[in-house]
Amino acid sequence: KNQVEQSPQSLIILEGKNCTLQCNYTVSPFSNLRWYKQDTGRGPVSLTIMTFSENTKSNGRYTATLDADTKQSSLHITASQLSDSASYICVVRWMDSSYKLIFGSGTRLLVRP
Amino acid sequence: KAGVTQTPRYLIKTRGQQVTLSCSPISGHRSVSWYQQTPGQGLQFLFEYFSETQRNKGNFPGRFSGRQFSNSRSEMNVSTLELGDSALYLCASSFSANEQFFGPGTRLTVL
Repeated sequence: KNQVEQSPQSLIILEGKNCTLQCNYTVSPFSNLRWYKQDTGRGPVSLTIMTFSENTKSNGRYTATLDADTKQSSLHITASQLSDSASYICVVRWMDSSYKLIFGSGTRLLVRP
Repeated sequence: KAGVTQTPRYLIKTRGQQVTLSCSPISGHRSVSWYQQTPGQGLQFLFEYFSETQRNKGNFPGRFSGRQFSNSRSEMNVSTLELGDSALYLCASSFSANEQFFGPGTRLTVL
């Protein structure tokens, strides 16, 4: 079964600290993997998108890595800010005939001052 | 370019009623997808429209339907509302398979 699992479910860190969010998937074959940031009550906003041949992609303080062999991805946030408090969702596009998106349940991050 | 817009932003209905939500995609985008998001279930795919045709459909009952107009604007309809339909409904538009842009969502509360 095609699944995307994220860990941890929730995370609390102090402002200025780094953190890493994990995404494990069983989707195969896959076209690309995306990380979204979603503020409470708003739509998700894309942070990074990687194809199966890419290992890392950065967007400011956000760096995503991808290991297609182990089917794992991580999102590393450097020098966290209060505005990083949000849910982070990992999404994998399944390369079937319909190119469906398989969503993880997200990690809720709270950055405290 | 203006982003994806959804109307209304907030809606309160009672059980048994029906509701129509609207989504205007980014100019030039022909694909529009709809999602339901609840705290317990995360993002659940409802359906995708491309050039006025439903291209993909999720596992939702027939009470959930949608359509897309020639200008790519899309509407989603939910009939005979149930309490469990309370959720944030998100619309996303895309030009290619590589990127999707989400709207702010419509918060539906069913009483």
